[in-house]
Amino acid sequence: AQSVTQLDSQVPVFEEAPVELRCNYSSSVSVYLFWYVQYPNQGLQLLLKYLSGSTLVKGINGFEAEFNKSQTSFHLRKPSVHISDTAEYFCAVTPTSYDKVIFGPGTSLSVIP
Amino acid sequence: DAGITQSPRHKVTETGTPVTLRCHQTENHRYMYWYRQDPGHGLRLIHYSYGVKDTDKGEVSDGYSVSRSKTEDFLLTLESATSSQTSVYFCAIGGESGANVLTFGAGSRLTVL
Repeated sequence: AQSVTQLDSQVPVFEEAPVELRCNYSSSVSVYLFWYVQYPNQGLQLLLKYLSGSTLVKGINGFEAEFNKSQTSFHLRKPSVHISDTAEYFCAVTPTSYDKVIFGPGTSLSVIP
Repeated sequence: DAGITQSPRHKVTETGTPVTLRCHQTENHRYMYWYRQDPGHGLRLIHYSYGVKDTDKGEVSDGYSVSRSKTEDFLLTLESATSSQTSVYFCAIGGESGANVLTFGAGSRLTVL
């Protein structure tokens, strides 16, 4: 079975500062990894995904994430955040064989003007 | 939301009554999922379907049943609603673009009094 841990439930950061949201996963099989974003009162949308190949993946809105297999991590980063990045961010994992998609508990990012 | 609709969007009901939430897709995707979202828990998988009449349990399936008689419709039923089932329910579809990237509906907010 797979599981996802997001180490920070809330992350406040000042506008234009860098941010890192941490994600660790557990799995006995190969997995795909995702970050989804949920803006206030909306559904979730895909931010970026890691399938294979380069361990650094780029997503929408200037976000990127790095897959580290040895540390079973998939941390999300942005070099300079904007007010509009205020949202809930979810890390997710699914086996490469297609099955359940398991989400972490989420990290609430608050960008302070 | 990219060809996926949930109904009803809001519902208030009383303990012990049956409730059915509907998810309808126009994308012809094989996989459909029901999640519930609660503060501090992120999204937890209730049930999912990998084809017509093919369903399986998720992390929190107790008290819920599902049915999928057509590719486009995935129903979630609470046979006898309880206050602990007060939540926001999200439907998602996936499996067609590789790596099981999910597209989410707008959510259904259920309050059980």
